[in-house]
Amino acid sequence: EPEVTQTPSHQVTQMGQEVILRCVPISNHLYFYWYRQILGQKVEFLVSFYNNEISEKSEIFDDQFSVERPDGSNFTLKIRSTKLEDSAMYFCASKGGGYIQYFGAGTRLSVL
Amino acid sequence: AQTVTQSQPEMSVQEAETVTLSCTYDTSESDYYLFWYKQPPSRQMILVIRQEAYKQQNATENRFSVNFQKAAKSFSLKISDSQLGDAAMYFCAYPLYIQGGSEKLVFGKGTKLTVNP
Repeated sequence: EPEVTQTPSHQVTQMGQEVILRCVPISNHLYFYWYRQILGQKVEFLVSFYNNEISEKSEIFDDQFSVERPDGSNFTLKIRSTKLEDSAMYFCASKGGGYIQYFGAGTRLSVL
Repeated sequence: AQTVTQSQPEMSVQEAETVTLSCTYDTSESDYYLFWYKQPPSRQMILVIRQEAYKQQNATENRFSVNFQKAAKSFSLKISDSQLGDAAMYFCAYPLYIQGGSEKLVFGKGTKLTVNP
């Protein structure tokens, strides 16, 4: 069964460093998303991406964040200068023509 | 604003017993979907079941079923014959329509389910 793949599973970084979280969505899906879950809290929407551009972003998704689909398969989330409060689980999701968003296993980001 | 409320932060059930997790939501739409996602200790988000609002019949997936009450905006998840592997966080989610024919999922705060042997 096709699945969304995220790498790395755990990323440790120093405050102020740039990180790139990678995702390979399900092939032939058209809609891509990033969500964030701070430990012990609910999952929050960050950004959606369709037709090579951002279709919606939340207030959390400030200028420090960017997304890219550099080739036909990868979908990346970049945090330019990480802060302690960026420590969270980051989930990538993708969707085809239906209503179901399929989630990856997540990347746990730890900012020290 | 659309909200999703899960009023039970934690629930526990004996193995083989039945448990019901509650969810209420707020929307002005008449046609929509609702989802339950499971998050085991591995923290992966796994779709458990979905309900289409225009369907009167409650969705069922094996031991998982929903009690969908559209007028009351209630969407509870029933787990029958609970198994140890059902222990997880359960999130109710509502897709809020956004630009480009897409949706962003709005999640409740989750219910932590413990299954006792």
